[in-house]
Amino acid sequence: NAGVTQTPKFQVLKTGQSMTLQCAQDMNHNSMYWYRQDPGMGLRLIYYSASEGTTDKGEVPNGYNVSRLNKREFSLRLESAAPSQTSVYFCASSGMRNTIYFGEGSWLTVV
Amino acid sequence: GQSLEQPSEVTAVEGAIVQINCTYQTSGFYGLSWYQQHDGGAPTFLSYNALDGLEETGRFSSFLSRSDSYGYLLLQELQMKDSASYFCAVRHNNNDMRFGAGTRLTVKP
Repeated sequence: NAGVTQTPKFQVLKTGQSMTLQCAQDMNHNSMYWYRQDPGMGLRLIYYSASEGTTDKGEVPNGYNVSRLNKREFSLRLESAAPSQTSVYFCASSGMRNTIYFGEGSWLTVV
Repeated sequence: GQSLEQPSEVTAVEGAIVQINCTYQTSGFYGLSWYQQHDGGAPTFLSYNALDGLEETGRFSSFLSRSDSYGYLLLQELQMKDSASYFCAVRHNNNDMRFGAGTRLTVKP
């Protein structure tokens, strides 16, 4: 079972470059999320999507955009990367129950 | 606003019992969850409490007191593999899940 799959796993960007993190889930979940994790900061919610066609801001949305392409896919875009966006990014999904399933993470470094 | 407070670090010995506390403040409340994360890995679900009381799942138990905005995760018969970070999380509406900063548990032989 694939669960939540996100790509790329590792990426180095130069300041000002743009990139998109891709995420797909095969569990038929309605809700999808993007979190970032920095040392000592826990998981901070960037954006979430309650269902196909809807997206909402979380705690730290500035500098990011998202697209809920269909029920399976939820992408995160950095339009102009900054060193402050160096982090580990986790995509996640949840269904009717209160369990969130996470992808393996994407390590992003902005130099 | 929302906030979750949990200790940053806890150390215990193998075979012991450890309790990780979490206090929360949220405008709405739909339940308290706990997740485990090993270094370099993804968080994985441990337990969920929507109502007051104790939920037990094997060596792990979780407790909630909604009136006190407080919960804890209890780990019994600690094993070395339990060394990890533990996060409490609050769902404050049907889809917005927020996490605490995490508690790093170190289990010593």
